[in-house]
Amino acid sequence: GEDVEQSLFLSVREGDSSVINCTYTDSSSTYLYWYKQEPGAGLQLLTYIFSNMDMKQDQRLTVLLNKKDKHLSLRIADTQTGDSAIYFCAETPGGGSTLGRLYFGRGTQLTVWP
Amino acid sequence: DAEITQSPRHKITETGRQVTLACHQTWNHNNMFWYRQDLGHGLRLIHYSYGVQDTNKGEVSDGYSVSRSNTEDLPLTLESAASSQTSVYFCASSPGIAGGSYEQYFGPGTRLTVT
Repeated sequence: GEDVEQSLFLSVREGDSSVINCTYTDSSSTYLYWYKQEPGAGLQLLTYIFSNMDMKQDQRLTVLLNKKDKHLSLRIADTQTGDSAIYFCAETPGGGSTLGRLYFGRGTQLTVWP
Repeated sequence: DAEITQSPRHKITETGRQVTLACHQTWNHNNMFWYRQDLGHGLRLIHYSYGVQDTNKGEVSDGYSVSRSNTEDLPLTLESAASSQTSVYFCASSPGIAGGSYEQYFGPGTRLTVT
């Protein structure tokens, strides 16, 4: 099956940039997603990128996609303590019986220190 | 506003009991999903549905069942609860439009404890 990998932990100081990395194995992935989960809450969709794009920017968030290396990253500029959460990378395959399913990484716990 | 809700938010039950977790969405989405989240495992897919009367097994479907009788609801039933099913359960929905972006929207979760 599809495999999505992320590092488990990241710590940054408030005001610095955070970069959360993700790798995936499915070369037919059409969309890749970033979700945020705060304690005791469900997953919140942050942003997504279509596989024919290499960058997407949305306010403090920048998504970079290297399709050749199957590498996705999420950069958070001017990281705030409110950004402390678990961040999940996910991808959806290109078609077939699994169309519409998302495959998630295990999540990266981001801790922001004041 | 359209939304996705889950009930109950917290449930304690005994081993062997049947338990049903409710999921209701008002977006009129075709696709609905049930996941469980456990420390060290991330999110694991239990069952999913692409529309009314359609259900499919995910990676960890043993001991669980779903039915889809309308667009809005996908209840998850644990036939005979086991301690290994203690977890946080999330429901999600997606428009499921061919050629679309397939993003999923998640409910707030149900924390289930099986004693």
